[in-house]
Amino acid sequence: GENVEQHPSTLSVQEGDSAVIKCTYSDSASNYFPWYKQELGKRPQLIIDIRSNVGEKKDQRIAVTLNKTAKHFSLHITETQPEDSAVYFCAANSPWEHGNKLVFGAGTILRVKS
Amino acid sequence: NAGVTQTPKFRILKIGQSMTLQCTQDMNHNYMYWYRQDPGMGLKLIYYSVGAGITDKGEVPNGYNVSRSTTEDFPLRLELAAPSQTSVYFCASRGGVTYEQYFGPGTRLTVT
Repeated sequence: GENVEQHPSTLSVQEGDSAVIKCTYSDSASNYFPWYKQELGKRPQLIIDIRSNVGEKKDQRIAVTLNKTAKHFSLHITETQPEDSAVYFCAANSPWEHGNKLVFGAGTILRVKS
Repeated sequence: NAGVTQTPKFRILKIGQSMTLQCTQDMNHNYMYWYRQDPGMGLKLIYYSVGAGITDKGEVPNGYNVSRSTTEDFPLRLELAAPSQTSVYFCASRGGVTYEQYFGPGTRLTVT
């Protein structure tokens, strides 16, 4: 089955700097890669996702890049702000499995210092 | 359109007790999922359903049961609660066209 690894586990940046979180996946058939943001005590919220037919997707200050050959994808946050502080989870789907399940990485705690 | 709702928000159980966590969605989604999230950890899939009457095990199903008698509801049953089941439980759903999963607000369960 699919396995997703996420690095780093914690990341501290100064306000205004960029943050990059990386994930690798194992199943070459995976074709959907979402990123979720979870604030303390809240539910995970989708912030951006990418399908395997594109290499990059951008939405204002956040972007995701996908390298299918290397089986890794990354989240890029530019001009970080204190409200970006949260836990970020990557995930990859298992398209051949019943239910097209998502497998999540272990999460990255992002702290933006002002 | 309330999305995905879960009850209760919090619950404390004694070891050996049983309870049902409720999950309802009003988006007419076929796919529904139950996850648990232990402190400082990621999301682990407990059970999922691809439609009414169809359920299947996820990564960590032991100690849990589910049913899906309607499209809207996907309750999770804990039998003989154990301290290892202390966690936050999230229900999620998605439609058939997109892959995006929508999460409920979660239920924080403590077993003592």
